[in-house]
Amino acid sequence: KAGVTQTPRYLIKTRGQQVTLSCSPISGHRSVSWYQQTPGQGLQFLFEYFSETQRNKGNFPGRFSGRQFSNSRSEMNVSTLELGDSALYLCASSEKGAPYEQYFGPGTRLTVT
Amino acid sequence: GQQVMQIPQYQHVQEGEDFTTYCNSSTTLSNIQWYKQRPGGHPVFLIQLVKSGEVKKQKRLTFQFGEAKKNSSLHITATQTTDVGTYFCAGPGMDSNYQLIWGAGTKLIIKP
Repeated sequence: KAGVTQTPRYLIKTRGQQVTLSCSPISGHRSVSWYQQTPGQGLQFLFEYFSETQRNKGNFPGRFSGRQFSNSRSEMNVSTLELGDSALYLCASSEKGAPYEQYFGPGTRLTVT
Repeated sequence: GQQVMQIPQYQHVQEGEDFTTYCNSSTTLSNIQWYKQRPGGHPVFLIQLVKSGEVKKQKRLTFQFGEAKKNSSLHITATQTTDVGTYFCAGPGMDSNYQLIWGAGTKLIIKP
């Protein structure tokens, strides 16, 4: 099976802009989780979707939102970008859903200037 | 809130030496998972432990789950350059079953 894919891989945005990141899970996986990773901060959970429903949300401001489509593909949107949003954004797919084993995509490296 | 503590934060070893990272949860876990992230890469699932006292081996890697299901360890025997990376443990959230709580990771560095 093909792995998890994320697009774009790299993105440079200006403070105040918005951005949409995309994630295609492994075929057959209905769960997609999103994480923010910054140096020294580990993996910070953003949200998890399962069959188009958001089942859990991490402690991030409302500027961070997501959705999942009927084909399990997921998008994450960040509005009004701040410099602190610069990070690696990872999505992970799971057959059974979190908290079972997760398979990560390569990530989208977002730089906010 | 629920926490998963992982120590040490960094470990420098000579190639051929052993490496161990420890994971401690503030709550009992139904399972614990281990992931490896190579430099510049993404986390890769290594293993899941479910049973109290469980020990699993993958070649030079040995994973243990404590009797109380609140701690776990990963031990690598005779490290190689291919082992370089950050090792994360993660367990299910207590307040929500739809989330993994992650340790901060242990970075394995091979001394030149």
